[in-house]
Amino acid sequence: AQKVTQAQTEISVVEKEDVTLDCVYETRDTTYYLFWYKQPPSGELVFLIRRNSFDEQNEISGRYSWNFQKSTSSFNFTITASQVVDSAVYFCALSVNRDDKIIFGKGTRLHILP
Amino acid sequence: DTGVSQDPRHKITKRGQNVTFRCDPISEHNRLYWYRQTLGQGPEFLTYFQNEAQLEKSRLLSDRFSAERPKGSFSTLEIQRTEQGDSAMYLCASSLVGEGYSEQFFGPGTRLTVL
Repeated sequence: AQKVTQAQTEISVVEKEDVTLDCVYETRDTTYYLFWYKQPPSGELVFLIRRNSFDEQNEISGRYSWNFQKSTSSFNFTITASQVVDSAVYFCALSVNRDDKIIFGKGTRLHILP
Repeated sequence: DTGVSQDPRHKITKRGQNVTFRCDPISEHNRLYWYRQTLGQGPEFLTYFQNEAQLEKSRLLSDRFSAERPKGSFSTLEIQRTEQGDSAMYLCASSLVGEGYSEQFFGPGTRLTVL
């Protein structure tokens, strides 16, 4: 069975601080895909990134960076120099086939305080 | 707009009533998914269609729930005899299955409140 665990239910940081959201996944499949989504207060799911299991290269996109480590089954997400607009719920997710359903974690609610 | 659309965006109903939601996928997307998100949780898979065929149903989908995609385009999700526990956001996503990874594009959701 597949599972995604986001141990941090809620995090609050002051604007401009860096923050890391943790994600641990479980799967026996050797081919899988990992995702991060953002859900702002308006409710829509905003896709942030997808990585496949064969690509462990870390990725940086502006203030966002992702650290994928197969050895610890983790796919952590860091926001540097956080901004109030980053306040949202962030979901880590997993899919084991390229066309399959997505399994989401319970999310981490991030508050960026001005 | 060529994104996934869902109607209605909000629905309030009384316990015991039937409700129906509609999802219009991105044009020519052959796969359509339904997810449910309850308060404080991540979205959970309910069912998906490949064209008009319903290929998988989650155990979350009780016999009060039925989904259809009659012509392989839009889909409906009906809940009969609603219960308060059905209150949730119902999300639809679509994708085009082909070579490479098939990205799922999510709609804005239908928020259901059962009184």
